[in-house]
Amino acid sequence: DAGVTQSPTHLIKTRGQQVTLRCSPKSGHDTVSWYQQALGQGPQFIFQYYEEEERQRGNFPDRFSGHQFPNYSSELNVNALLLGDSALYLCASWERQTIDYGYTFGSGTRLTVV
Amino acid sequence: KNEVEQSPQNLTAQEGEFITINCSYSVGISALHWLQQHPGGGIVSLFMLSSGKKKHGRLIATINIQEKHSSLHITASHPRDSAVYICAATYNNNDMRFGAGTRLTVKP
Repeated sequence: DAGVTQSPTHLIKTRGQQVTLRCSPKSGHDTVSWYQQALGQGPQFIFQYYEEEERQRGNFPDRFSGHQFPNYSSELNVNALLLGDSALYLCASWERQTIDYGYTFGSGTRLTVV
Repeated sequence: KNEVEQSPQNLTAQEGEFITINCSYSVGISALHWLQQHPGGGIVSLFMLSSGKKKHGRLIATINIQEKHSSLHITASHPRDSAVYICAATYNNNDMRFGAGTRLTVKP
């Protein structure tokens, strides 16, 4: 049973560019959340997607946007990259309707902005 | 102020020692999560609890709802337990708020 798959694993971009990160949730999961983790810090919630809609959003600017597809996979897009966007981007998935909110995390995409 | 506070920030122990990591949260939650993150980034969910106590192998997690406090205990610690342990709270809207993590190093 495949867990959460994120791609790419590593990425280097130049300031001002745009980037798209991808996440495939665990089989049976329908909700995806994205998190940003700066070096040495805990993850910060970016947004959550369910039924192809953004349901919750953390304190991130509009440069951060996302999408969820009918197969529950999701993308995170960041426009006009800043040096401060360099971080590990984590995706987590779970099944919204179950009482036991078991989260499964991906291994992350490490984004470096130069 | 972070809604989820962890202590200590760093912890070094000798193999075999009993380890406790603490977590406090500021408002009512629907669940409290303990996560483990190894170098390289991948996060593994260890426990999710909303009351009482859970045990898995040498790991024990407890939560006190009245005191808004949770602890993660590791018995008979081993160098392979070295990792960052993160406490996270899930609220009714289902998004996670994370603590800053506790970096545990277990020396042989």
